[in-house]
Amino acid sequence: SQQGEEDPQALSIQEGENATMNCSYKTSINNLQWYRQNSGRGLVHLILIRSNEREKHSGRLRVTLDTSKKSSSLLITASRAADTASYFCATVPDSNYQLIWGAGTKLIIKP
Amino acid sequence: ETGVTQSPTHLIKTRGQQVTLRCSSQSGHNTVSWYQQALGQGPQFIFQYYREEENGRGNFPPRFSGLQFPNYSSELNVNALELDDSALYLCASSQRVPPYEQYFGPGTRLTVT
Repeated sequence: SQQGEEDPQALSIQEGENATMNCSYKTSINNLQWYRQNSGRGLVHLILIRSNEREKHSGRLRVTLDTSKKSSSLLITASRAADTASYFCATVPDSNYQLIWGAGTKLIIKP
Repeated sequence: ETGVTQSPTHLIKTRGQQVTLRCSSQSGHNTVSWYQQALGQGPQFIFQYYREEENGRGNFPPRFSGLQFPNYSSELNVNALELDDSALYLCASSQRVPPYEQYFGPGTRLTVT
């Protein structure tokens, strides 16, 4: 079953703008991870945030986590055409070690 | 460091047939997870293998089975293929310690006609 829900389902912005996508989940977690998937290919790990962290940065990526609201957001700053992809959040519940996935946000960066 | 590889890349099978998909783990990883991803959907967890034993299973029927070998490579077998089995099958390897970050292969695109 899928725990995470990403919002929006799809997002189209101009190159250079910032892109924000959100993820909500249901159970308590050990950590939350964001992955990127280019069209029809394998997923690439982007960033991981632990349950005791509130914000994390990696290059142009900024992730926040609000465990009280059971939600996370991924911000991509100064977007590029190469950022066009689907983005998924995945949670590792406290109770086990298996990732639970959302349905993803499809991001399109227009040149 | 060797990444996760999967074979074949693409496969076309007929309904009722059987298929075997293969995955080689990233070096140093002892856990393999398999996912099915339908078009436009997120990955659905099929099962996970750790030390050659199934260690957790999603909501998939018994005709989906797997193996893990001593070198931590893995196979996914699907019997009696159905049209709805058409999907991208993803293999991910990881270590069995937190934070359970997974490293994915490029996937096998299975089409059942």
